[in-house]
Amino acid sequence: EVQLVESGGTLVQPGGSLRLSCAASGFTFSNYEIHWVRQAPGKGLEWVSNISTSGTFIHYADSVKGRFTISRDNVKNSVILQMNSLTAEDTGLYYCATGGHCTSGLCHDVAHFQHWGQGTLVTVSS
Amino acid sequence: DIQMTQSPSTLSASVGDRVTITCRASQSVNTWLAWYQQKPGKAPKLLIYKTSNLENGVPSRFSGSGSGTEFTLTISSLQPDDFATYYCQQYNTYSWTFGQGTKVEIK
Repeated sequence: EVQLVESGGTLVQPGGSLRLSCAASGFTFSNYEIHWVRQAPGKGLEWVSNISTSGTFIHYADSVKGRFTISRDNVKNSVILQMNSLTAEDTGLYYCATGGHCTSGLCHDVAHFQHWGQGTLVTVSS
Repeated sequence: DIQMTQSPSTLSASVGDRVTITCRASQSVNTWLAWYQQKPGKAPKLLIYKTSNLENGVPSRFSGSGSGTEFTLTISSLQPDDFATYYCQQYNTYSWTFGQGTKVEIK
């Protein structure tokens, strides 16, 4: 069974930093691109960032570019989202999700998010 | 960035009703359009990908159609388990964006 478990969310002051983790199991992690998607309280979904299977290719939403850094460890089957210079607008539930499935250099299903974790809550407030 | 607009924002319907939700893109996304269902306190669940492909395990009363800039999600006969919020999502050149959501409420 595919499992994604996020952790690291907590209350942090504006301007502070936070490191979120996504631990994966139940599938061949190194074959999947991984995304972070967030949801502000009572609001809709916002894509944040993604990372390719090898970690070579990385993309960010404009709203987090220059402040967030995504990385992965294919030995530990985990993805990290390092969040710096946090503001109140970064408050929300952060989900990790699977993206494209890649084998032999070809990726399929890159356009949607098939499996999701349950999320970790980040609150930026003084 | 491509903007996604869903209509309506809220929909009141009864069990057994046929329900249609529309999603419009600010520019063509070809058929790279997915639909998700989210219930309170839960993660989103993939229903449909690439406009009309039903995810494994999703009931056949859900269907999707469209292309270019206009897409629809249809629930042929609304069931009690379907009351939730639905999001469309597009993909275009390493950018993924969601619609604002449509809440399906009990009438």
